[in-house]
Amino acid sequence: ELKVEQNPLFLSMQEGKNYTIYCNYSTTSDRLYWYRQDPGKSLESLFVLLSNGAVKQEGRLMASLDTKARLSTLHITAAVHDLSATYFCAVEVMYSGGGADGLTFGKGTHLIIQP
Amino acid sequence: GAGVSQSPRYKVAKRGQDVALRCDPISGHVSLFWYQQALGQGPEFLTYFQNEAQLDKSGLPSDRFFAERPEGSVSTLKIQRTQQEDSAVYLCASSLWVEGQETQYFGPGTRLLVL
Repeated sequence: ELKVEQNPLFLSMQEGKNYTIYCNYSTTSDRLYWYRQDPGKSLESLFVLLSNGAVKQEGRLMASLDTKARLSTLHITAAVHDLSATYFCAVEVMYSGGGADGLTFGKGTHLIIQP
Repeated sequence: GAGVSQSPRYKVAKRGQDVALRCDPISGHVSLFWYQQALGQGPEFLTYFQNEAQLDKSGLPSDRFFAERPEGSVSTLKIQRTQQEDSAVYLCASSLWVEGQETQYFGPGTRLLVL
């Protein structure tokens, strides 16, 4: 059974600080996704990481993937209040019917950024 | 429309009542997924369609859950004889392969509360 673990699950940080969220997964996968979810809202796609060593950046967020270590990181640089949300990593798996893949999600990291 | 839409957005049901949740995927998206998200948790896979074919339903928690996509577009998730443990947000996502890459786009979800 595929397991996806995120840590920390809760994070409170001050504006201007840097921090990293970690996502470990238990089986071979070459595709990893990061989503953002605001309270009461749906999931917004942030990054799709397709291969070992992939690094993507958007604004103050940077995501990386190490498939050998089965680890992805989401790094936040100089955090601002608007980045407060829950961040999920998700790993792609092949389902029994084949074709497009489903996602197994971590429990999410609840991030609060205080002024 | 521009994105995945779901209806109703909120549903309160009495225990034992049947409910039907609708998903309108992004036009042209072949794949459609249903997920269940309990409070404070990450989404969990329920079932997956490729066009009208239900290729995987291994995540459906019981035989009270049934999903269909008869014309390969709109999908309905039906829950019979609802129980309190069915209370959750039900998310629908659709996706399309483009240049070897696929991203699942999520709808706003239906919040189901079973009393």
